[in-house]
Amino acid sequence: GNSVTQMEGPVTLSEEAFLTINCTYTATGYPSLFWYVQYPGEGLQLLLKATKADDKGSNKGFEATYRKETTSFHLEKGSVQVSDSAVYFCALSPVSGGYNKLIFGAGTRLAVHP
Amino acid sequence: GAVVSQHPSWVICKSGTSVKIECRSLDFQATTMFWYRQFPKQSLMLMATSNEGSKATYEQGVEKDKFLINHASLTLSTLTVTSAHPEDSSFYICSARDGLAGGTGELFFGEGSRLTVL
Repeated sequence: GNSVTQMEGPVTLSEEAFLTINCTYTATGYPSLFWYVQYPGEGLQLLLKATKADDKGSNKGFEATYRKETTSFHLEKGSVQVSDSAVYFCALSPVSGGYNKLIFGAGTRLAVHP
Repeated sequence: GAVVSQHPSWVICKSGTSVKIECRSLDFQATTMFWYRQFPKQSLMLMATSNEGSKATYEQGVEKDKFLINHASLTLSTLTVTSAHPEDSSFYICSARDGLAGGTGELFFGEGSRLTVL
């Protein structure tokens, strides 16, 4: 079946540190891949997405590359800020679903300290 | 981006009572809405797909008679937890798809509703 595995948190970093949150997936065919972010007290927001192999999604300094050979979609940011503190969810949409029926990872909490 | 609002954001009820949670798309119309359930420190699990004007499609293992879903308009879907029990305590999240003509097809999420059943 389809599944998403994320690295466990919490991840605690100092401001301006480099961030990597690992995400791997299991799926048939060619799913679309997403990263969502949830700030305290708010709903999930789409951070970035990639719809085919080797695509790179990017937004707000965050990047993730769709790697089919390693079934991964790791999230990276070169220099984190305190305002990046949130919970990050990796998700996939099966081939037939498009934006429908997102399957989520468990989420990774990021805490950035000044 | 578009806004999806859930109400109530938190609710406490007695065992055996029913609780209704509303999900509204505030600035777009959504033919499809999704209901998720999230346990502490766990992933969001899709419960059902709510289609405007038709019956919801439930995921395997989700009791349709316990979790009643109604999607009566293009901007409102409701989830009713019937005869709630403590094991139903959870965080319920809805999302709406901006899927009509001119929309982006993107999913927008509500802020979630925390249900505690005593």
